[in-house]
Amino acid sequence: KNEVEQSPQNLTAQEGEFITINCSYSVGISALHWLQQHPGGGIVSLFMLSSGKKKHGRLIATINIQEKHSSLHITASHPRDSAVYICAVRKKDTQKLVFGQGTRLTINP
Amino acid sequence: DVKVTQSSRYLVKRTGEKVFLECVQDMDHENMFWYRQDPGLGLRLIYFSYDVKMKEKGDIPEGYSVSREKKERFSLILESASTNQTSMYLCASGTALHTPNFFGQGTRLTVV
Repeated sequence: KNEVEQSPQNLTAQEGEFITINCSYSVGISALHWLQQHPGGGIVSLFMLSSGKKKHGRLIATINIQEKHSSLHITASHPRDSAVYICAVRKKDTQKLVFGQGTRLTINP
Repeated sequence: DVKVTQSSRYLVKRTGEKVFLECVQDMDHENMFWYRQDPGLGLRLIYFSYDVKMKEKGDIPEGYSVSREKKERFSLILESASTNQTSMYLCASGTALHTPNFFGQGTRLTVV
């Protein structure tokens, strides 16, 4: 079983919809990252979380350490949000990053 | 604008060829990383380097080697390319150990 699991693997929605992408992990962590990968391939870091909630524009990331779960929300989604969203956790014992398999989001106009 | 630049976006090589993937960063970062990305598997660390001439194996180093002769450049070498090395390769750099902050655009390598 993967140490980091994301759901759903694929998500298609209409412009304007509220989007939620989930990340569950099974190891002790010191931080969790959300990353965005556009079709061109480049990856951009969106958030780093160790507790609570962070907001940047229309993106909100939350983490529940006790439940070993994080969510990435997008409000008022737009076609330019179409990308692969990747969750990664920093393992507490090794400090190495372990990546989820990614969620492919498509927002239709 | 900070940059991690990979030398090729697309590459097609023959089985058995020696392949060099080059990565250059302009942020004076100590740490550089090579990942491969395959559908359903996510990013997997091949090798990383925390200083010039220093390197450590990641999770899947078999069939690969690396070179870091200068701080800004980190090369991934496939000594004898095989079809199971067909993948997207991503280079990254960062200020802290184990933390890639900036990624390159990726090289999609096809081995035929």
